[in-house]
Amino acid sequence: ETGVTQSPTHLIKTRGQQVTLRCSSQSGHNTVSWYQQALGQGPQFIFQYYREEENGRGNFPPRFSGLQFPNYSSELNVNALELDDSALYLCASSSGAGKGGEAFFGQGTRLTVV
Amino acid sequence: DAKTTQPTSMDCAEGRAANLPCNHSTISGNEYVYWYRQIHSQGPQYIIHGLKNNETNEMASLIITEDRKSSTLILPHATLRDTAVYYCIVRFQAGTALIFGKGTTLSVSS
Repeated sequence: ETGVTQSPTHLIKTRGQQVTLRCSSQSGHNTVSWYQQALGQGPQFIFQYYREEENGRGNFPPRFSGLQFPNYSSELNVNALELDDSALYLCASSSGAGKGGEAFFGQGTRLTVV
Repeated sequence: DAKTTQPTSMDCAEGRAANLPCNHSTISGNEYVYWYRQIHSQGPQYIIHGLKNNETNEMASLIITEDRKSSTLILPHATLRDTAVYYCIVRFQAGTALIFGKGTTLSVSS
């Protein structure tokens, strides 16, 4: 157990719809990052939030957006869902301070777009 | 793109040491080497990290060559529960993005 919780665990959406995924970070962690993992691939970095501000983004279109709240929990929003958005979405939290702090991952949300 | 190269798959007998290699020939002087693993259908799990000295914790040992262009993760006594995909990642410091490659699928058998 890492203390990082994600909800929901599974979700089925229709192409064109919007989805919101949630992540509660580990106590004491102020940095949350999101990853997309397609079947058979390694996780791909979407973006990262540090103290409620986005401070890094991977190669994902603007329809992928996020928020971080004062308690450091976070949301990932995806608009205009496409079939290729079907994947495991992972949230990771870390202290983000100093060198060497590892990231702790949640169990992920499995999104299926039909 | 990932800055590391790992074998696609490896096999190990239960109870034996598993030695997983990683090449990172373009690593810069202030980049760390991190190892994570992902057991099927779970989120990645942190294992260990290092800069230039060898490191050991309760899970594994990390051996980094003197020129820092390669490293080896050692699981001293592999068990069936160590079957997973192992990712070697280089990054400047905590708080930066983890860039995952395809990793090494380790299969431990009895």
